[in-house]
Amino acid sequence: DTGVSQDPRHKITKRGQNVTFRCDPISEHNRLYWYRQTLGQGPEFLTYFQNEAQLEKSRLLSDRFSAERPKGSFSTLEIQRTEQGDSAMYLCASSPGQLPYEQYFGPGTRLTVT
Amino acid sequence: AQSVTQPDIHITVSEGASLELRCNYSYGATPYLFWYVQSPGQGLQLLLKYFSGDTLVQGIKGFEAEFKRSQSSFNLRKPSVHWSDAAEYFCAVGSYSGGGADGLTFGKGTHLIIQP
Repeated sequence: DTGVSQDPRHKITKRGQNVTFRCDPISEHNRLYWYRQTLGQGPEFLTYFQNEAQLEKSRLLSDRFSAERPKGSFSTLEIQRTEQGDSAMYLCASSPGQLPYEQYFGPGTRLTVT
Repeated sequence: AQSVTQPDIHITVSEGASLELRCNYSYGATPYLFWYVQSPGQGLQLLLKYFSGDTLVQGIKGFEAEFKRSQSSFNLRKPSVHWSDAAEYFCAVGSYSGGGADGLTFGKGTHLIIQP
């Protein structure tokens, strides 16, 4: 068990470009979550999956954001037409389908939009 | 809607002194409560959790927290801090549905500074 991994760790992009992040959860964890954390703030929930089904999306997830988990394993988060306000740390977490349902976090992807 | 308040943005404690970080929550049902720690450039690490039962829960690294329903609080404590405890601490509240955990709601965090 190598923990939750995220790729890339850092991404610098120009405003208007599209970016995609990847998250690999702990194997056999059926739930996968995406959060966003801006400087000086706590993480904010964006969306989560149970296996390949996207069960909930926060109102923070604008239509420029899309997330997938096609085979119930890894997930991708895509941001289209990036804006400077998208600059943040994007965190991924996974959780098993049994108590105590703890969420284990990855190291995050730091996005900077210039 | 659920919410978490961490009233202290920064706390400074001398090494070896005791620590208490405050957390107040708002939640309509029985809350599931967590404390996470985040060191610079690192992901979030779970310190401890409360689901039910004993209201005093023990966690890793010598931390404990007490759930007080009447005060809607879940304060984190440590009897003697070490310089390595300097980090950002987040309290979070969660719920469960359909056989798993829903997304967590986090507080804004408390930045802990350790004085030598």
